[in-house]
Amino acid sequence: GIQVEQSPPDLILQEGANSTLRCNFSDSVNNLQWFHQNPWGQLINLFYIPSGTKQNGRLSATTVATERYSLLYISSSQTTDSGVYFCAVDRDDKIIFGKGTRLHILP
Amino acid sequence: ETGVTQSPTHLIKTRGQQVTLRCSSQSGHNTVSWYQQALGQGPQFIFQYYREEENGRGNFPPRFSGLQFPNYSSELNVNALELDDSALYLCASRNSGKSYEQYFGPGTRLTVT
Repeated sequence: GIQVEQSPPDLILQEGANSTLRCNFSDSVNNLQWFHQNPWGQLINLFYIPSGTKQNGRLSATTVATERYSLLYISSSQTTDSGVYFCAVDRDDKIIFGKGTRLHILP
Repeated sequence: ETGVTQSPTHLIKTRGQQVTLRCSSQSGHNTVSWYQQALGQGPQFIFQYYREEENGRGNFPPRFSGLQFPNYSSELNVNALELDDSALYLCASRNSGKSYEQYFGPGTRLTVT
């Protein structure tokens, strides 16, 4: 089945720093989403981005479907950005999540 | 617009028992998916329901079963609970006719003792 790999697994940054999170997938997909999971377990939609580039405030994402990767950029990090970031892909009505990147933003 | 809701929030069961978890999909959504998330792991896809039928399944045994109702709400049933079934169970919904974008509920935390 399709494999989804996220890197880095952990990232510790000072408040105000920028970061890039990566998601690689092993086969073509119908859909790709980025989520932020808060400390209570709620998955919050960041981007629905099967291809192309999108921006939302300090966050942006780019998916290059032909090369099977997606990047999530976080600029000017804030402590509230801390948590786990997941990418998830959809193929043949099966949704596969990566293992996530745990981001710690220090004040 | 009402978001995805799940009940109960927390649940404690004993090994061997059966459990039913419930999910109400977001207004206008016709497809529901269920996920199991063990501590420190990413969510694992259990199955998906569309028009009251299962149309996608992950690597979970048959003791994990589900239902979708005409109002698109859904249940996840787990029989013969095992200790490893302790996890956060997440439900997500989407509108298959419009978009693949999924929206998640807050989850049910199940503890099996």
